[in-house]
Amino acid sequence: GENVEQHPSTLSVQEGDSAVIKCTYSDSASNYFPWYKQELGKGPQLIIDIRSNVGEKKDQRIAVTLNKTAKHFSLHITETQPEDSAVYFCAASTYGNNRLAFGKGNQVVVIP
Amino acid sequence: DTGVSQNPRHKITKRGQNVTFRCDPISEHNRLYWYRQTLGQGPEFLTYFQNEAQLEKSRLLSDRFSAERPKGSFSTLEIQRTEQGDSAMYLCASSLDSEAFFGQGTRLTVV
Repeated sequence: GENVEQHPSTLSVQEGDSAVIKCTYSDSASNYFPWYKQELGKGPQLIIDIRSNVGEKKDQRIAVTLNKTAKHFSLHITETQPEDSAVYFCAASTYGNNRLAFGKGNQVVVIP
Repeated sequence: DTGVSQNPRHKITKRGQNVTFRCDPISEHNRLYWYRQTLGQGPEFLTYFQNEAQLEKSRLLSDRFSAERPKGSFSTLEIQRTEQGDSAMYLCASSLDSEAFFGQGTRLTVV
């Protein structure tokens, strides 16, 4: 099955700086890559996703890039704010497959 | 609130007891999923429904676990003869296509 890995496990950034989280996946058939933000005691919240026919997607301060050849994708958060502090999960699936394979998560800490 | 709703939010049970969780998906979503999340890990897929049909089950879903979605709307997840290893957050998600939206989860503690 699909195996998704995330790096680094913990990331601390100064408020206003950028944060980048990288994920790799193993199954070349995967073609849908969502990112979720999870705050303490809450369920994961979908923040952005990308399909394999697109190399980059932006939504305000967040962007996701995908390199299909290298089988990795990254989440970029610009102008970080304290409310960006959370655990971020990447995931992968085959479009329409319905089974998401998640990474272990990255703790992002934004220092005011 | 039109998001995915899960009840209860917390459940403490003694080992060996049965527990049942409920999930109400976003109303127009025909797909419903159950995931399990343990501390420091990402969610792990348990099972998937399209309408009332259970189409996929993970190997994680032992025979003590059963899930139903009787009318293609809400779903229940039952764990029989709970074990301490069942302690986790149980997450429900729903979707129309690939974009899955999660509920707040039910945190189960088996003592």
